[in-house]
Amino acid sequence: DAKTTQPTSMDCAEGRAANLPCNHSTISGNEYVYWYRQIHSQGPQYIIHGLKNNETNEMASLIITEDRKSSTLILPHATLRDTAVYYCIAVNNTNAGKSTFGDGTTLTVKP
Amino acid sequence: DTAVSQTPKYLVTQMGNDKSIKCEQNLGHDTMYWYKQDSKKFLKIMFSYNNKELIINETVPNRFSPKSPDKAHLNLHINSLELGDSAVYFCASSQDRVQKETQYFGPGTRLLVL
Repeated sequence: DAKTTQPTSMDCAEGRAANLPCNHSTISGNEYVYWYRQIHSQGPQYIIHGLKNNETNEMASLIITEDRKSSTLILPHATLRDTAVYYCIAVNNTNAGKSTFGDGTTLTVKP
Repeated sequence: DTAVSQTPKYLVTQMGNDKSIKCEQNLGHDTMYWYKQDSKKFLKIMFSYNNKELIINETVPNRFSPKSPDKAHLNLHINSLELGDSAVYFCASSQDRVQKETQYFGPGTRLLVL
């Protein structure tokens, strides 16, 4: 699986969009980009995933660059409850489904 | 209607003891996982089972032995507990290791070895 790099921490004002970047320059053609988040003391929670096209669901939007070397997770209207560690991982869906979680980005949403 | 549940939530024990952590999922998934999250918050996969068959076994001491009595359960037994085993252990499940990677995590078991 490709290694991903994310900023260690970010702040966002409540009500504003939170844009979390992720670099995955060594991603291969069959690897998906997955995003999870972990709110303090809870288990990680799936947010969204994509391969080539941009994706949107009720939680967030995922923008993947055309060369697929980076992506951005967008929380359109961040709330205090979105404060969490956000993990970006690249996953090969044709293998045994092993996910390697990096250090993630600690997002702090401030009032 | 908890999707992935773990018991116990907290476990405090002495060095050298043997303990088990249980995990159950009611999502009908075929694949289950155990992760360890240490004090530095790094989340590392330990084991994965698909339809009761071990498919991932990372570099984990032999003191850790997963057991899957059926595809809805994946228990983790730890022998001769050591101080370094103190961590939060998360169980997770996914629909199928090939088709669907999206994992659903349990609430975690906080293990403290004294």
